[in-house]
Amino acid sequence: DTGVSQDPRHKITKRGQNVTFRCDPISEHNRLYWYRQTLGQGPEFLTYFQNEAQLEKSRLLSDRFSAERPKGSFSTLEIQRTEQGDSAMYLCASSYPSGRVRETQYFGPGTRLLVL
Amino acid sequence: AQTVTQSQPEMSVQEAETVTLSCTYDTSESNYYLFWYKQPPSRQMILVIRQEAYKQQNATENRFSVNFQKAAKSFSLKISDSQLGDTAMYFCAFNEQGAQKLVFGQGTRLTINP
Repeated sequence: DTGVSQDPRHKITKRGQNVTFRCDPISEHNRLYWYRQTLGQGPEFLTYFQNEAQLEKSRLLSDRFSAERPKGSFSTLEIQRTEQGDSAMYLCASSYPSGRVRETQYFGPGTRLLVL
Repeated sequence: AQTVTQSQPEMSVQEAETVTLSCTYDTSESNYYLFWYKQPPSRQMILVIRQEAYKQQNATENRFSVNFQKAAKSFSLKISDSQLGDTAMYFCAFNEQGAQKLVFGQGTRLTINP
């Protein structure tokens, strides 16, 4: 169990550029989540995948944001035409359904994005 | 909409003391789950403890325990014999049964002083 990994850990970009983040969940975890955390706040849900299917999207996920999980393993989150308001920590989490017991979401270290 | 409120932005205690972090939430559902997550400085978030709303018994994990008051919609975290390694941001989170997303509070920054 190597944990959830995210790449890159830090990204600095100029306003208007596109950026893409990658998340590798814990192997055999079929659920994957993206959250956004701004400074001094708790994480906010963006979207959720079960295997390769994107089952829920937050209203926070504007049309400039797109997430994929093509083979049900790793996931990518792309932000097009970045804005300064996109500056935040982007967290990925994964979980494995365990029947009646609510499964734990395991978080990665996050990708910190700074838009200049 | 579900909301989670943590009314203590910052707390500070001496090592070995007991500290209680507060959390209230708002929901119209009767079946849900509550969590406390810890986020150490520059490190990833880890689960501290969780509570199922249908269980009356408060959850405990070693030095960590909760006081779950369903009628009051309150879910506080007690840390006994606090250690320097407990220094972190603590987030209370809520999850409805049948929903996958976690709803987080704003966090409490806890500092344990030597």
